[in-house]
Amino acid sequence: EVQLVESGGGLVKPGGSLTLSCAASGVTFSNVWMSWVRQAPGKGLEWVGRIKSKTEGGTTDYAAPVKGRFTISRDDSTNTLFLQMNSLKTEDTAVYYCTTWWFWGQGTLVTVSS
Amino acid sequence: SSELAQDPAVSVALGQTVRITCQGDSLRRYYASWYQQKPGQAPVLVIYDANKRPSGIPDRFSGSNSGSTASLTITGAQAEDEADYYCHSRGSGINHLVFGPGTRVTVL
Repeated sequence: EVQLVESGGGLVKPGGSLTLSCAASGVTFSNVWMSWVRQAPGKGLEWVGRIKSKTEGGTTDYAAPVKGRFTISRDDSTNTLFLQMNSLKTEDTAVYYCTTWWFWGQGTLVTVSS
Repeated sequence: SSELAQDPAVSVALGQTVRITCQGDSLRRYYASWYQQKPGQAPVLVIYDANKRPSGIPDRFSGSNSGSTASLTITGAQAEDEADYYCHSRGSGINHLVFGPGTRVTVL
């Protein structure tokens, strides 16, 4: 059974930083392209970014609102995906999901507020 | 505004058929996927590559595409199908992914 478990969410002040983690199991993690998707309260889904598998270059792509502030990385030795978020803004407040597109985690809430 | 357009809401009588559409120029080149999301839950993939259904998804869900429009059809809607439905595809750039704004389906 594939499981994706996000952690690291919480309350952070504007301008602050936070790192989210996503622990994967039941999947050959090193072969999988992983994405982060977020959902602001009462709003729709928004793609944040993705990272390819290392065998396909391990490159990253980001949505325009987070490019330059967010960094996605992966540790295939521990089956973990990361989302480093810097210069956080109030509009970054959302539930953050990690996903393979077929499987999703339960999400972790990030609240950016003073 | 989103690069993919969806009607905000649609209703369907129990047991009837409803079609949800998603419009966008990128759909002329790339397949759409569809996600179902119920309140407080993570999204669930119901259609991928325009018309393929993951195992475990009821066959009352089907997908199609024509030109710049992708469609999700629920044939014989059930009460448990009441949810938000999002289309998903590539955006203006090949490495840019987007979701539609979502369609809320109400089963009457």
